[in-house]
Amino acid sequence: GESVGLHLPTLSVQEGDNSIINCAYSNSASDYFIWYKQESGKGPQFIIDIRSNMDKRQGQRVTVLLNKTVKHLSLQIAATQPGDSAVYFCAETYFGNEKLTFGTGTRLTIIP
Amino acid sequence: DGGITQSPKYLFRKEGQNVTLSCEQNLNHDAMYWYRQDPGQGLRLIYYSQIVNDFQKGDIAEGYSVSREKKESFPLTVTSAQKNPTAFYLCASSMRAGVGETQYFGPGTRLLVL
Repeated sequence: GESVGLHLPTLSVQEGDNSIINCAYSNSASDYFIWYKQESGKGPQFIIDIRSNMDKRQGQRVTVLLNKTVKHLSLQIAATQPGDSAVYFCAETYFGNEKLTFGTGTRLTIIP
Repeated sequence: DGGITQSPKYLFRKEGQNVTLSCEQNLNHDAMYWYRQDPGQGLRLIYYSQIVNDFQKGDIAEGYSVSREKKESFPLTVTSAQKNPTAFYLCASSMRAGVGETQYFGPGTRLLVL
């Protein structure tokens, strides 16, 4: 079946360094992608999204890259801070689909 | 958590007991969703509702029931038929369903079985 998955379940990064979290998707019909951040014991928080007519989108310290050729999505966090430590999920859907499909998540730990 | 509230934060269920989790949103969103999250896992969809008085089963609806009598409220009942209810339950909403819109999440309810 269709799925969204992550390459790395855990990632440790030194504070101040940049981090990259990757996500692979298999549904070629997907045209909308979202990254969420989930801190321990809390609900997921929207970070940034991108539609399939774009390759790159930037937010505050975050950039999402979309490579439709290889069905790959990444989240780059610049100048990481201790507050960036969390689990990051990618999610995908397409126009007409009522549901989001979530990946398993990557745990990012920022080392002081 | 952007205008979505869930209560209680923690809930304890006895064997054979039905319990109801509350979800309220003041975002004027049409669509609402319930997810289950197990430790170290992603989110699995239980039920969703696109409009008032209408809802559909998600991927793991067995042992759960919902209602959508008001636009702002989407309570989830975990019935005694759900044999493994211990999990973190998340409610979400989006302006509309089916048009590729962001879902916004509440803070979650952790359900534990006594």
